[in-house]
Amino acid sequence: QIQLVQSGPEVKKPGESVKISCKASGYTFTQAGMQWLKQAQGKSLKWMGWINTNTGKTTYAADFTGRFVFSLETSASTAYLQITNLKNEDMATYFCASTTGAYWGQGTLVTVSS
Amino acid sequence: DVVLTQTPSILSATIGQSVSISCRSSQSLLDSDGNTYLYWFLQRPGQSPQRLIYLVSNLGSGVPNRFSGSGSGTDFTLKISGVEAEDLGVYYCMQATHAPWTFGGGTKLELK
Repeated sequence: QIQLVQSGPEVKKPGESVKISCKASGYTFTQAGMQWLKQAQGKSLKWMGWINTNTGKTTYAADFTGRFVFSLETSASTAYLQITNLKNEDMATYFCASTTGAYWGQGTLVTVSS
Repeated sequence: DVVLTQTPSILSATIGQSVSISCRSSQSLLDSDGNTYLYWFLQRPGQSPQRLIYLVSNLGSGVPNRFSGSGSGTDFTLKISGVEAEDLGVYYCMQATHAPWTFGGGTKLELK
């Protein structure tokens, strides 16, 4: 069956970086784009952007430019989200999902605390 | 950015009751390709969102047919015909017609 499995929870200090992985299985990785979403505790979902898994082209929402990078390791059917220079407001659960919205990872909680 | 306004924010229902959730958009979600990219998701406590409806009214794979979606332009509705216990959680509408894609604020469905 189709699955997106994300890496485990992270605890980081402000200014550090984090890289979250999202491994796809059960389908051809390059046949569906991958989006990334942020959900702060008790809040709605916020769309961060998406990456074309065929071409590697990235699209970022305005609030997620500069410190946020989407990347791929196509041979491993894996997408990545890297966040650099972490800030307190980056503390949230991050989800990967197919751009159709049909498949979601389980979420990765990033805690930012000094 | 497109603003999606969901009402109500909290919905209390009994098992078997039929309920509706409204999602109003600040601009038309009809795309130039003729599609309307309006989706509905359910997020149960502690879980990832699950896609219920895509393109306004198409039922997602494995989703019970008590769920239905309707609407056009700027006004959309999700209806649950006979709430079951497993339907409790937060419902979100999402639009993917205009970048950035945006979500409504959510509607929490709870038992009365």
